[in-house]
Amino acid sequence: AIRITQSPSSLSASTGDRVTITCRASQGISSYLAWYQQKPGKAPKLLIYAASTLQSGVPSRFSGSGSGTDFTLTISCLQSEDFATYYCQQYYSYPLTFGGGTKVEIK
Amino acid sequence: QVQLVQSGAEVKKPGSSVKVSCKASGGTFSSYAISWVRQAPGQGLEWMGGIIPIFGTANYAQKFQGRVTITADESTSTAYMELSSLRSEDTAVYYCARWGANYYDSSGDPNWFDPWGQGTLVTVSS
Repeated sequence: AIRITQSPSSLSASTGDRVTITCRASQGISSYLAWYQQKPGKAPKLLIYAASTLQSGVPSRFSGSGSGTDFTLTISCLQSEDFATYYCQQYYSYPLTFGGGTKVEIK
Repeated sequence: QVQLVQSGAEVKKPGSSVKVSCKASGGTFSSYAISWVRQAPGQGLEWMGGIIPIFGTANYAQKFQGRVTITADESTSTAYMELSSLRSEDTAVYYCARWGANYYDSSGDPNWFDPWGQGTLVTVSS
């Protein structure tokens, strides 16, 4: 199975900050990576797929980059509604696997 | 806009089975795979398996092989996940999620999940 190492596991930031979260795959996965946002008690919400394609309706302050083994989710200007946990997911091969998550907290 | 609505919370005894449903409305059902993902309390997301309703064939994560059965009923646009031999470690929220691209557009390859169901809490306790 492809392992996805996500970092950091948590971070504290202030509104307006630029935030970067990374995922590293244990083997090359081309651009077959998605990013999700999850708020407490809610289902995950798709933000980005194909490593850098913004899902319809998602604010443009979210962006994704990378290919191969290293990927990045960037929130350019953190808003209050962005405090949540973020997960990456590879869909290059079965079993589909997720990163361990990054909790973005208010500083 | 497709919506996935799951069945309600369950409390089960160790050793028993649970069957969770996921009904799709507002969109195409058969040509989009449905996966099941679980999340133990305070933990991350774990893919359990999935099915492509138009073919009726399911694949499972090795961890759950032999204990999980995923099925789909095209006539009611509903997918099901049954987990047997329940133990306390199976206490979790179980989500269904549809692939973002249909089987034909993705050439049958797995893809991202969108949308997700609201989740079903399964509690295993004696």
